[in-house]
Amino acid sequence: GAVVSQHPSWVICKSGTSVKIECRSLDFQATTMFWYRQFPKQSLMLMATSNEGSKATYEQGVEKDKFLINHASLTLSTLTVTSAHPEDSSFYICSARDAPAGPQHFGDGTRLSIL
Amino acid sequence: RKEVEQDPGPFNVPEGATVAFNCTYSNSASQSFFWYRQDCRKEPKLLMSVYSSGNEDGRFTAQLNRASQYISLLIRDSKLSDSATYLCVVNDFNKFYFGSGTKLNVKP
Repeated sequence: GAVVSQHPSWVICKSGTSVKIECRSLDFQATTMFWYRQFPKQSLMLMATSNEGSKATYEQGVEKDKFLINHASLTLSTLTVTSAHPEDSSFYICSARDAPAGPQHFGDGTRLSIL
Repeated sequence: RKEVEQDPGPFNVPEGATVAFNCTYSNSASQSFFWYRQDCRKEPKLLMSVYSSGNEDGRFTAQLNRASQYISLLIRDSKLSDSATYLCVVNDFNKFYFGSGTKLNVKP
């Protein structure tokens, strides 16, 4: 149980393109999902906490207009990287948990490469 | 001070060795604790939750010392497939704090 699916797993696109990443909880409902970014050989960095039916909470230094988060249902959160540039190339991972104080379950991640 | 601190390693050990990872956390009110492993270019995967009484899963033993704000993971009889980065994760209410990870290389 507690499966989180993320799509797409790999994206390569031109600079200036907007890219949408989906995160789904397949067998549980998630009022909260988390979006992370990870650069090579670095730790996971929390970007934002996605809240179902309300605005996301962004971490300091993360541009909310650049990284649009929508959590329209209890099983789906989306992250849109708007007007992506090469410096946005990274590994983006979402997570959710199926119980209060329980562990996070991570999606497979999306490797984003902006040319 | 970071919320969660881990030795970054790498730890290079031979197959069959016992290896221990340690982690300290700064918030004494932290609620729950976990160990994850992350393989290169993959997402973190839950290895085990850490309970106050300590818990064991096969070759893996996790312990929590709330008084010292310290978490440990012990791997016995290490296998080549244990090579990965091990992340200590601490949950404070609705926020998770990650250690920087300790890299383990198990050599034949």
